[in-house]
Amino acid sequence: QVQLQESGPGLVKPSQTLSLTCTVAGGSISSGIYYWSWIRQPAGKGLEWIGRFYSRGSINYNPSLKSRVTISADTSKNQLSLILSSVTAADAAVYYCARDKGVGNTFFDYWGQGSLVTVSS
Amino acid sequence: EIVMTQSPATLSVSPGERATLSCRASQSVSTNLAWYQQKPGQAPRLLIYGASARATGIPARFSGSGSGTEFTLTISSLQSEDFAVYYCQQYNIWPPYTFGQGTRLQIK
Repeated sequence: QVQLQESGPGLVKPSQTLSLTCTVAGGSISSGIYYWSWIRQPAGKGLEWIGRFYSRGSINYNPSLKSRVTISADTSKNQLSLILSSVTAADAAVYYCARDKGVGNTFFDYWGQGSLVTVSS
Repeated sequence: EIVMTQSPATLSVSPGERATLSCRASQSVSTNLAWYQQKPGQAPRLLIYGASARATGIPARFSGSGSGTEFTLTISSLQSEDFAVYYCQQYNIWPPYTFGQGTRLQIK
């Protein structure tokens, strides 16, 4: 059973950088079978796909966030990371990591429990 | 970017009755459409993929249909645990993968 667990600071100041980690258990992010995404959800609102990592050499981003987002992974720790720069109040949300099976099968079958990020000075 | 529009925003149905939720795509997504259920304080749970295939462990009372731009999620006989928010998501044209704004299914 795959388990995903997000972690990181719950509070970020405006204009600063948000940094989150997703630790994956029960499956290897470097297996090449699955893709690993970040998705966010502002309070009371819908879901927004941020981007994803694939161990065989591709990282894709939502064009609306691409200039501020970096997704990477530490395969030795089986961790995915998200960095979002120059945050504003609009970036306050619950941030999820999730697994999918790649192009043509990009539906998310396993999710972390989410990490709440507040943006405030 | 493909825009996914769900209707209605809120649906009130009595337990034991049928619920029908709709999702429309701004252009064809073939059958590359998934449905999720989300309860308060929880992550979304995958219900349906490929427009009509149930995910592992999902009860048979959940069914999906449609192709192109019009999709439907039907819950045949509502149980108490089914009252939640439901989202559709397209994965045909990306980036980005996009979700609908959700339908809140509440007890009548």
